[in-house]
Amino acid sequence: EVQLVESGGGLVQPGRSLKLSCAASGFTFSNYYMAWVRQAPKKGLEWVATISTSGSRTYYPDSVKGRFTISRDNAKSSLYLQMNSLKSEDTATYYCARPGGTTNYFDYWGQGVMVTVSS
Amino acid sequence: DIRMTQSPASLSASLGETVNIECLASEDIYSDLAWYQQKPGKSPQLLIYNANSLQNGVPSRFSGSGSGTQYSLKINSLQSEDVATYFCQQYNNYPFTFGSGTKLEIK
Repeated sequence: EVQLVESGGGLVQPGRSLKLSCAASGFTFSNYYMAWVRQAPKKGLEWVATISTSGSRTYYPDSVKGRFTISRDNAKSSLYLQMNSLKSEDTATYYCARPGGTTNYFDYWGQGVMVTVSS
Repeated sequence: DIRMTQSPASLSASLGETVNIECLASEDIYSDLAWYQQKPGKSPQLLIYNANSLQNGVPSRFSGSGSGTQYSLKINSLQSEDVATYFCQQYNNYPFTFGSGTKLEIK
């Protein structure tokens, strides 16, 4: 059974940093691209980052480019999101998600972790 | 960026009815379109990918159609467990973008 379990969320002040983790199990982690998707309270979904199988390629929307860094450790079946220079608009539930096969729809999602950016 | 315009924003229907949700892309996305269901307090769940392919385990009353810039999700024989918010997503181009969601309630 595929499982994605996020951790590392919490309350952080604007301008500070936070690192999220996602522990994957139930599939061969190193064979899949991985991604983060977020959802602000009572809002829609926003794709945040994608990383290739080896970690050599990363992709971000303009809203987080230069502030967020996605990374992975295939030996530990773990995905990470380093978030720097956090803003109030980064407040959201962050989901770890697995793209299906060779495409970029998301066939498995974690339960999500809440990040609140506030002074 | 590709804009995904989803309609309606909310929908109320009776049990057993058929409902349709639409998604309009700002440019051709070549059927790289997925639909998700998100129940209150839960993570999104994939329903449809490649515009019309049913994800394993999803009831056959869900179906997707469309091409080019226009896509739709159809739910036949509405059940109480279908109460949720539904989102479309294009994955033809980075940045991947989602529709704003359709909240489905039972009348």
